[in-house]
Amino acid sequence: QVQLQESGPGLVKPSETLSLTCTVSGGSISNYYWSWIRQPAGKGLEWIGRVYTSGITNYNPSLKSRVTMSVDTSKNQFSLKLTSVTAADTAVYYCARDYYGGDIWGQGTMVTVSS
Amino acid sequence: QSALTQPASVSGSPGQSITISCTGTSSDVGGYNYVSWYQQHPGKAPKLMIYEVSHRPSGVSNRFSGSKSGNTASLTISGLQAEDEADYYCNSYTSSSTRVFGGGTKVTVL
Repeated sequence: QVQLQESGPGLVKPSETLSLTCTVSGGSISNYYWSWIRQPAGKGLEWIGRVYTSGITNYNPSLKSRVTMSVDTSKNQFSLKLTSVTAADTAVYYCARDYYGGDIWGQGTMVTVSS
Repeated sequence: QSALTQPASVSGSPGQSITISCTGTSSDVGGYNYVSWYQQHPGKAPKLMIYEVSHRPSGVSNRFSGSKSGNTASLTISGLQAEDEADYYCNSYTSSSTRVFGGGTKVTVL
């Protein structure tokens, strides 16, 4: 069955760029939308955006100026870049397959923004 | 885009039914039949429980059901069980081709 795994630095300095990758295993990345969602400790889920395998993207308007998502079909991976991070970007970041809104999720990866 | 509105908490005794509401606008919940519901246990990733307002993925108990009226969607859990104690989130597609989550509801089994 399809599984997702997030990877990337667990610690990012303020003002720098957060970069995460999600690896899709057990199935093809093609012909789906793929999403990023985050959750600060003790708080709710926030939809960050999604990318289609053709490269089409949709972003949360509140984060749009700082977010870039991309897909590498040759590696069965998709990625998130969030620029100019602050402490408010500290959260667990999830990747998910955007089928029916989110039918398959990764386990999540904690990213802390701190100097 | 504003988060969808959910009650912060709902509780019920084992065997009872509870309903969680999710209120949006005509630009999201009311405009599309693309509302989904997620269950999240502490420290775990969310799990899809309902999609397209009222459809259950394979493997999800039929004690979970969804509906929608106007700008408000609802998740009903019948025959409440201890394992249902978790946080629940609604999610909707929007007119901007984005998605938006509700603030989440903590379900407590008394």
